[in-house]
Amino acid sequence: QKEVEQDPGPLSVPEGAIVSLNCTYSNSAFQYFMWYRQYSRKGPELLMYTYSSGNKEDGRFTAQVDKSSKYISLFIRDSQPSDSATYLCAMGMNRDDKIIFGKGTRLHILP
Amino acid sequence: DADVTQTPRNRITKTGKRIMLECSQTKGHDRMYWYRQDPGLGLRLIYYSFDVKDINKGEISDGYSVSRQAQAKFSLSLESAIPNQTALYFCATSEGRGGFSNQPQHFGDGTRLSIL
Repeated sequence: QKEVEQDPGPLSVPEGAIVSLNCTYSNSAFQYFMWYRQYSRKGPELLMYTYSSGNKEDGRFTAQVDKSSKYISLFIRDSQPSDSATYLCAMGMNRDDKIIFGKGTRLHILP
Repeated sequence: DADVTQTPRNRITKTGKRIMLECSQTKGHDRMYWYRQDPGLGLRLIYYSFDVKDINKGEISDGYSVSRQAQAKFSLSLESAIPNQTALYFCATSEGRGGFSNQPQHFGDGTRLSIL
């Protein structure tokens, strides 16, 4: 079983819809979780950073962490064509040197 | 100006050539990283450095070397490039507070490297 699993997509949704992106993980030692957005020909850009189970909201974005199920989600409300990008989940442990990235989900918002 | 700057942005070269990719940052972060990104494989860590005197191998360091010339500069070298090193290369930085690693990484915009 891979440490972090993420559906590669592509996921196509109409403008204005709520988007749900998900990752599962196998290592219960992961303690902090991130979501990155990557546009074509650009580097990953940090969107959300969470350190505990539950929800964290920032504008149209909500990150959700369920440590008991080893499952994290990113919700995008009122999706816009500018949200079209690849979204990568990432996670890490305290006192460890590395962050483990999911392979990314390609998202297309259709006007 | 970008906080993490990578040069060059694009490079095409031939098998056997020596290549250097450079990264500089203005974020004042201690930690710097080199990744490569391939379709279907995601981001894979090549090398990372916690300060000028501390260099560590990542999961795919074979065929690569690095140099941390200063806190703000971290370069990646391919001593003798081969076609399967064709990829998108990213530099990233993070803070390193009190020995804990729970800080997010911040990326440059990458170098697209093609080896013929």
